[in-house]
Amino acid sequence: EAQVTQNPRYLITVTGKKLTVTCSQNMNHEYMSWYRQDPGLGLRQIYYSMNVEVTDKGDVPEGYKVSRKEKRNFPLILESPSPNQTSLYFCATLPYSEDSSYNEQFFGPGTRLTVL
Amino acid sequence: GQNIDQPTEMTATEGAIVQINCTYQTSGFNGLFWYQQHAGEAPTFLSYNVLDGLEEKGRFSSFLSRSKGYSYLLLKELQMKDSASYLCAVHNILTGGGNKLTFGTGTQLKVEL
Repeated sequence: EAQVTQNPRYLITVTGKKLTVTCSQNMNHEYMSWYRQDPGLGLRQIYYSMNVEVTDKGDVPEGYKVSRKEKRNFPLILESPSPNQTSLYFCATLPYSEDSSYNEQFFGPGTRLTVL
Repeated sequence: GQNIDQPTEMTATEGAIVQINCTYQTSGFNGLFWYQQHAGEAPTFLSYNVLDGLEEKGRFSSFLSRSKGYSYLLLKELQMKDSASYLCAVHNILTGGGNKLTFGTGTQLKVEL
């Protein structure tokens, strides 16, 4: 079954304590991305990766890091979390195509993070 | 810049038809996605429009007019389970090949008896 998995699904932590949210996909997709979702603001892209060792900033990258050492994994790292990073986080993948024939973006189940 | 507008909320009756509009003004455009999202869950794909016109898929149809910066999602024969948030997202392929999706804030649809 094609899927994107995220761990943990729920996390409560304190300000400044480094954390990593993992994302893994089994579809061999080149493109992966992280979003955060906040009430009234919709989904906003944090970082994306076009392939192994290729990452770039999205719209709201401050306070986050990512890495793409292998194709299936794209972890999101918060070196020093702050309360304004309390949010619902989604990882997503998209198969790369040179034409416009994308037909689906797969989202992980989400990680609800609370930073106290 | 990127600007995507959707109504915040809509209410419709079970069995009826509802149209959810999305207008956009973006610096680039490759296509437009529609997603359904139930509370606390991940968005699920509904449609992706690249060319102008209407694409029908079962009870759901999606329309795009690139010249007008306008799209709508049409839901027919509404069911209670269609109560959810509906997100439109503009897809742009960046120089270098990166994919950028800019999401609207979503339309919360409530289906009533």
